[in-house]
Amino acid sequence: EIVLTQSPGTLSLSPGERATLSCRASQSISYNYLAWYHQKPGQAPRLLIYDASSRAAGIPDRFSANGSGTDFTLTISRLEPDDFAVYYCHQYVMLPRTFGHGTKVEIK
Amino acid sequence: QVQLVQSGAEVKKPGASVKVSCKASGYTFTDYNIYWVRQAPGQGLEWMGWMNPNSGATNYAQKFQGRVTMTRDTSISTAYMELSRLESDDTAVYYCARPLPAGATGYWGQGTLVTVSS
Repeated sequence: EIVLTQSPGTLSLSPGERATLSCRASQSISYNYLAWYHQKPGQAPRLLIYDASSRAAGIPDRFSANGSGTDFTLTISRLEPDDFAVYYCHQYVMLPRTFGHGTKVEIK
Repeated sequence: QVQLVQSGAEVKKPGASVKVSCKASGYTFTDYNIYWVRQAPGQGLEWMGWMNPNSGATNYAQKFQGRVTMTRDTSISTAYMELSRLESDDTAVYYCARPLPAGATGYWGQGTLVTVSS
């Protein structure tokens, strides 16, 4: 199975700062079938990015992502209070589908 | 709009089974696979498997094979996930989800908390 390793585990930042999250895959992800989600306590995950760089409907343009092969990055250009959450990457090219263990973005 | 509405919280004893339902609306139920994902308290997301509502075909993560069964009732646009021989480690929120046309999982149910306790 494809193992996704996210770093850092926790990111402590202030509102207005830039956040850069990394997701590294144990093998190449074909077709860039990689997604990013964020999740707040007590809520279901919400899709932010699919196909490595396409924003989902309703996602503001302060969220951007890129990458290919085994290395992927999610960037939040200016953190807003609503952005403090846990972020997961997810590959959907191969069974079993797998998720990274998450990066928590917390208020500094 | 696409909605996935799950059944309510359950409390089960070790060794028992639980069956969680997921009612779909806002689209043609048989057009998209249904995925099941779980999340133990304070932990990350764990993919359990998927079902094709049109054919009934399933694919289960190896960890759950032999214990999980995913079924559907197309007449009421509802998917089911049954997990047997429950252990305390199965305490988690169980989510159903549906992919976007592009393939990524884009729609999620609200989650169902299953607590396994003696």
